[in-house]
Amino acid sequence: GEQVEQRPPHLSVREGDSAIIICTYTDSATAYFSWYKQEAGAGLQLLMSVLSNVDRKEEQGLTVLLNKKDKRLSLNLTAAHPGDSAVYFCAVSGDSAGNKLTFGIGTRVLVRP
Amino acid sequence: GPKVLQIPSHQIIDMGQMVTLNCDPVSNHLYFYWYKQILGQQMEFLVNFYNGKVMEKSKLFKDQFSVERPDGSYFTLKIQPTALEDSAVYFCASSLGRGGQNTLYFGAGTRLSVL
Repeated sequence: GEQVEQRPPHLSVREGDSAIIICTYTDSATAYFSWYKQEAGAGLQLLMSVLSNVDRKEEQGLTVLLNKKDKRLSLNLTAAHPGDSAVYFCAVSGDSAGNKLTFGIGTRVLVRP
Repeated sequence: GPKVLQIPSHQIIDMGQMVTLNCDPVSNHLYFYWYKQILGQQMEFLVNFYNGKVMEKSKLFKDQFSVERPDGSYFTLKIQPTALEDSAVYFCASSLGRGGQNTLYFGAGTRLSVL
């Protein structure tokens, strides 16, 4: 079945710097790619999702890149601020799998003032 | 935005007892899910549920597990009897439709500790 690796597990950046998180997956049929944010004590919040026909998507200081050849998905937080401190998860699923997501292990991001 | 509530946030029980984890999904959602995350490991799919039936389940969804949503109330995960390896955080989610383009809304999780 699908396997997802996420790195790094921990990331500490200064306010205003960028933070990049990368996930690699194994199933070339994967069709749906998403990033979630989990703040302390809260549920997972969907940040962005892309389908396999999208290489790049930008929204509100977040950039998602999808490299299907290398089976790599990345999330770039530009100009990070302390409110971005959280755990970030990538999650993928195939077309026929409905909402059966395969998650990465998560990246704990700390943005220092 | 829409919220999924999970009750309780932490449950401690003795091995062999029964436990029921409660989830209050988004009110107009039709599809419901449970995921399990053992400490230090990835969150893993357990089961999804629609129209009163289990649609898909993973190998983690043991015979001791069951789900239901009686009369549109809480969506519940029952474990009977519990085992030590059931200790984990259980996340509930709901969505309006199915297919990868539908947004799943997740609760904050219930931490289950089996002693």
